[in-house]
Amino acid sequence: DTGVSQNPRHKITKRGQNVTFRCDPISEHNRLYWYRQTLGQGPEFLTYFQNEAQLEKSRLLSDRFSAERPKGSFSTLEIQRTEQGDSAMYLCASSGPRRDTGELFFGEGSRLTVL
Amino acid sequence: GNSVTQMEGPVTLSEEAFLTINCTYTATGYPSLFWYVQYPGEGLQLLLKATKADDKGSNKGFEATYRKETTSFHLEKGSVQVSDSAVYFCALSPTGANSKLTFGKGITLSVRP
Repeated sequence: DTGVSQNPRHKITKRGQNVTFRCDPISEHNRLYWYRQTLGQGPEFLTYFQNEAQLEKSRLLSDRFSAERPKGSFSTLEIQRTEQGDSAMYLCASSGPRRDTGELFFGEGSRLTVL
Repeated sequence: GNSVTQMEGPVTLSEEAFLTINCTYTATGYPSLFWYVQYPGEGLQLLLKATKADDKGSNKGFEATYRKETTSFHLEKGSVQVSDSAVYFCALSPTGANSKLTFGKGITLSVRP
């Protein structure tokens, strides 16, 4: 399958621990996005990469959050010193390389539960 | 700022019933509008889109028309099927901001045989 792949699919952690999620986009896509979705809400934009450059970050992305896309392929999203409010589904999406039409291809998400 | 408001759910319909899911938006300029769908166990996927006023997006029997005068993008289908059971999200992308999408809360549709 050549869709967007995310892992782990589920992560349960204790408050204060660090967690890292990985996203492998569709191989020819140069744009990569992270969104967060909490229960009963739609996805909220977190950050956006074009190739390896992080071009935009939402105010939702506090200093405890860091995202990287070192070689313009896969991306990681790390949350340090997790808090219970970080519990959510973290969605990765990709698009490109042609003109951006607003169509994103989403992975199935990584669900984080902070105890 | 930008926002999308969807009607409250969930919605339960019988097969072959007519479907309308309301969506209104607030945005500056001329956003692009989208409906995304999430089937059980799958990731979000684009259902249809419209990029300017009076455009009609359509796919899989679903339609939505970009109404600037009412700032709406309601989703309709004339005859739903059990396989349409999913969560539907309305979204917008501001002018020039491409895929930085603002989503509504989503609505769950269940279709009974």
